[in-house]
Amino acid sequence: AQSVSQHNHHVILSEAASLELGCNYSYGGTVNLFWYVQYPGQHLQLLLKYFSGDPLVKGIKGFEAEFIKSKFSFNLRKPSVQWSDTAEYFCAVNAADSSYKLIFGSGTRLLVRP
Amino acid sequence: DGGITQSPKYLFRKEGQNVTLSCEQNLNHDAMYWYRQDPGQGLRLIYYSQIVNDFQKGDIAEGYSVSREKKESFPLTVTSAQKNPTAFYLCASGASQETQYFGPGTRLLVL
Repeated sequence: AQSVSQHNHHVILSEAASLELGCNYSYGGTVNLFWYVQYPGQHLQLLLKYFSGDPLVKGIKGFEAEFIKSKFSFNLRKPSVQWSDTAEYFCAVNAADSSYKLIFGSGTRLLVRP
Repeated sequence: DGGITQSPKYLFRKEGQNVTLSCEQNLNHDAMYWYRQDPGQGLRLIYYSQIVNDFQKGDIAEGYSVSREKKESFPLTVTSAQKNPTAFYLCASGASQETQYFGPGTRLLVL
């Protein structure tokens, strides 16, 4: 069965620090990869996604993620965080042979101190 | 205004009571999904439907039921058999294997 691991449950950073959130998945076939963000009191929103092509994908608000197939990883990065990036971040995976059901990681709560 | 709506925002359930959570979308998506979100556990799939009049169990379907009589609507019933219903429930829709879009959620509390 597929699973998704997010290694950092809580991250605290100061503004302007760089961010990298880890995401690893366990599945040997072709996958689609997603990062979602949930700002306090708001909907879960899509941050970025990877289906195929360039493994470095850029999303909204200056976020990017790199798909490294050999490491089964899809880490999220941002060079300089802002206070407004305080949110919970979820990595998710789906695959064709599991009816494209999304499997989510347990989430990472990011707190950015002004 | 396009999107996914869920109602109510908060719902209280008494012991032994069934409650139904509403989810409506006007995005013309074929697929709809229900997830449960608990602190520290991410989102877990309860049920999903890829087409009208058809639905499948997700990973934690016990104690829940759904229907999909219309493309736009995918209500979730939390039955009395669900022993730990307190959670945040999220509905999503998507064009099959494409990106899923989420509603604002319903928080269910047990009295």
